[in-house]
Amino acid sequence: DIQMTQSPASLSASLGETVTIECRASEDIYNGLAWYQQKPGKSPQLLIYNANSLHTGVPSRFSGSGSGTQYSLKINSLQSEDVASYFCQQYYDYLTFGSGTKLEIK
Amino acid sequence: EVQLVETGGGLVQPGRSLKLSCVASGFTFNNYWMSWTRQAPGKGLEWVASITNSGGSTYYPDSVKGRFTISRDNAQNTLYLQMNSLRSEDTATYYCTRAWLGAFDYWGQGVMVTVSS
Repeated sequence: DIQMTQSPASLSASLGETVTIECRASEDIYNGLAWYQQKPGKSPQLLIYNANSLHTGVPSRFSGSGSGTQYSLKINSLQSEDVASYFCQQYYDYLTFGSGTKLEIK
Repeated sequence: EVQLVETGGGLVQPGRSLKLSCVASGFTFNNYWMSWTRQAPGKGLEWVASITNSGGSTYYPDSVKGRFTISRDNAQNTLYLQMNSLRSEDTATYYCTRAWLGAFDYWGQGVMVTVSS
């Protein structure tokens, strides 16, 4: 089974800052990676698929990058509505989620 | 507008069974693989089951294999999850999800399942 190690577990940043969340796969997942945002009390929403493709309607301040076993989600110009938990998911071999990152505003 | 509406959750005793349903609308249901994903209270996300668009193949993680069964009725645009031999660790919110290029592009609002005596 492919394991996904996500870091950091929590993150506090100021409005307007740039933040980066990372996921490391236990083996090569060939860009089969998605990122999700889950706001408090809500269902998760897809942000990024295929490691770097922005899902429809997602603001361009979100971006994904990486390859092989290392992937990252970057949020530019942090806004108050970005307060949420973020999860990575590999879908190269079955499906595995990362443990999540809770993002707060400082 | 794509909508996924789950029903069937509730309180159930350990060892008992429960069946969840998800009614889909706003898209051609039989064109998409579908999945169930769960989230224990205050915890992360866990994939539970997937089914191909025709219903001909199903996939499960080891944590539920042999206890849970995913199925679908394409005529009724409905996805199901039959959960047997329920355990306390199955307590979670269960989400119906549409699969697209491997990722889950739409999620239902979720339905809570509590396994407790």
